[in-house]
Amino acid sequence: LAKTTQPISMDSYEGQEVNITCSHNNIATNDYITWYQQFPSQGPRFIIQGYKTKVTNEVASLFIPADRKSSTLSLPRVSLSDTAVYYCLVGDVGNDMRFGAGTRLTVKP
Amino acid sequence: EAGVAQSPRYKIIEKRQSVAFWCNPISGHATLYWYQQILGQGPKLLIQFQNNGVVDDSQLPKDRFSAERLKGVDSTLKIQPAKLEDSAVYLCASSPEAGVFNEQFFGPGTRLTVL
Repeated sequence: LAKTTQPISMDSYEGQEVNITCSHNNIATNDYITWYQQFPSQGPRFIIQGYKTKVTNEVASLFIPADRKSSTLSLPRVSLSDTAVYYCLVGDVGNDMRFGAGTRLTVKP
Repeated sequence: EAGVAQSPRYKIIEKRQSVAFWCNPISGHATLYWYQQILGQGPKLLIQFQNNGVVDDSQLPKDRFSAERLKGVDSTLKIQPAKLEDSAVYLCASSPEAGVFNEQFFGPGTRLTVL
């Protein structure tokens, strides 16, 4: 079972880059790594997904080392509106997908 | 494009009562998920459907929870009888393709309070 571990909380300031790391020591060969963002009273929203190396889209980058036992979500130049809970999800179709406990990011002015 | 719809948004019941939640996924999405999110925790997958077949229900408490997805479109999740520890937000999500682990689109959730 690919259990995930994330920091409970992080603080940052507007304009800074934020890196959130997720540990998943028991990741399976076919598992993908996906990150979601959740605001209060809303469902999670997809940010980015990867399998290995580096993935970048218009809002974030995802770094995955060769052993795939961890991953790092990088948010460039955060703003107040990025204050949310960020979840790491590891799994595959029909293969025990598990969300982590989430990292509560607070962006300060 | 309309998002994932869920109803009701809020429900308050007493323990031992029954409750049902409804989900209408994004049109054409093959895969549908039900999650339970207890306050302060990450979502926990209860059941995953591909079209109208169950792919994973390993974390569904089958003695009291049931779910169906008739005709491979909308879905209902039922709890009978409810316990205090079932108080949570129940999230429905859908994704476009069957057999592919891709982006899930979540609904707003149903907040259940069991008294």
